[in-house]
Amino acid sequence: GAVVSQHPSRVICKSGTSVKIECRSLDFQATTMFWYRQFPKKSLMLMATSNEGSKATYEQGVEKDKFLINHASLTLSTLTVTSAHPEDSSFYICSVPLGAGRLDTQYFGPGTRLTVL
Amino acid sequence: QKEVEQNSGPLSVPEGAIASLNCTYSDRGSQSFFWYRQYSGKSPELIMSIYSNGDKEDGRFTAQLNKASQYVSLLIRDSQPSDSATYLCAVLFNNDMRFGAGTRLTVKP
Repeated sequence: GAVVSQHPSRVICKSGTSVKIECRSLDFQATTMFWYRQFPKKSLMLMATSNEGSKATYEQGVEKDKFLINHASLTLSTLTVTSAHPEDSSFYICSVPLGAGRLDTQYFGPGTRLTVL
Repeated sequence: QKEVEQNSGPLSVPEGAIASLNCTYSDRGSQSFFWYRQYSGKSPELIMSIYSNGDKEDGRFTAQLNKASQYVSLLIRDSQPSDSATYLCAVLFNNDMRFGAGTRLTVKP
């Protein structure tokens, strides 16, 4: 399967700052990547689909101006949490699907734990 | 609203026993079903997928699907302490994947 990395694995920031999370597909070219958020003891929630060379597709209720997604190459997607607040503290996970846009076979990154003070 | 429900647990079983994890879903048209294992602080990893009614076995794992009852389960035979994790049920319908909140399993030596 695909190998997916995320950086950083853990970040603590002050309220009001912006945080960038990188997701890399190390051995597989990905025209789409998915970004999820998981609160403690809660479901994994799809936030958005990152599309290489075009705009991301956001799920209902996810603010596109707050969660900026850039998919600049076939191996890199970034999620920037702008003006982060404590309620944005969560576990952010990206995934790479085996087929473009397909959810049935996806490889998850190791996740990024964001804590906003 | 598509829902995937799981008992949050914790489910505790002794080593060597069978662990039974259950999941129900609300969308009758759901097509594909998945079980993921998630260790604490880690991302999910796929352990089983099932698409048609009946049982599917893979090593110590058996997934069971009953579309009429909208029910999918995961059995883990000969449970090991290393199986201790949260198990997420996921249901796919028209490329919309919904995850349950997970059942925490503890296997006691």
